[in-house]
Amino acid sequence: DAKTTQPPSMDCAEGRAANLPCNHSTISGNEYVYWYRQIHSQGPQYIIHGLKNNETNEMASLIITEDRKSSTLILPHATLRDTAVYYCIPLSSGSARQLTFGSGTQLTVLP
Amino acid sequence: DSGVTQTPKHLITATGQRVTLRCSPRSGDLSVYWYQQSLDQGLQFLIQYYNGEERAKGNILERFSAQQFPDLHSELNLSSLELGDSALYFCASSGSSGVYNEQFFGPGTRLTVL
Repeated sequence: DAKTTQPPSMDCAEGRAANLPCNHSTISGNEYVYWYRQIHSQGPQYIIHGLKNNETNEMASLIITEDRKSSTLILPHATLRDTAVYYCIPLSSGSARQLTFGSGTQLTVLP
Repeated sequence: DSGVTQTPKHLITATGQRVTLRCSPRSGDLSVYWYQQSLDQGLQFLIQYYNGEERAKGNILERFSAQQFPDLHSELNLSSLELGDSALYFCASSGSSGVYNEQFFGPGTRLTVL
């Protein structure tokens, strides 16, 4: 699986968009980019995933660059409950596979 | 609520002892995963089962073992416990959501070894 680089921490004002970047320059053609988050000491939670097209769901949007070497997770209107560690995880398609968590980004949403 | 249950929530035991952590996956999920989260190692994959069979192994110590039963619940057995085994242990399940690699995590078991 590809290695990832994420900033260790970011702040965002409540109600503003939070943009969380991830560099995955060694990603291979069949690897999707998955995003999970972990609110303090709770079990991680799936957010969104994509291959090369931008994706949106009820939680977030995912923008993947054309060369697929980086991506940005966007929380459009961050709330205090979005304070968590966010993980970007490249993962091959196909059958269910274990997740490899890096260090992630600690997002703190400020009132 | 992810639909994954783990018991117990907290466990305090002494070095050298043996404990069993239990996980019930979401209804319909055939895959169960175990992860360990310690302060210095972060979240690490231990082992995966699929429909009762071991599917993948990660950084799981020989002192640790797991199994998945016919009703799909899983148990993680930790023996000859050491201080360094103190951690949060998460179970996750997947398979029925329609999204590959969407894993649903339980609330975790916090193990403290004294």
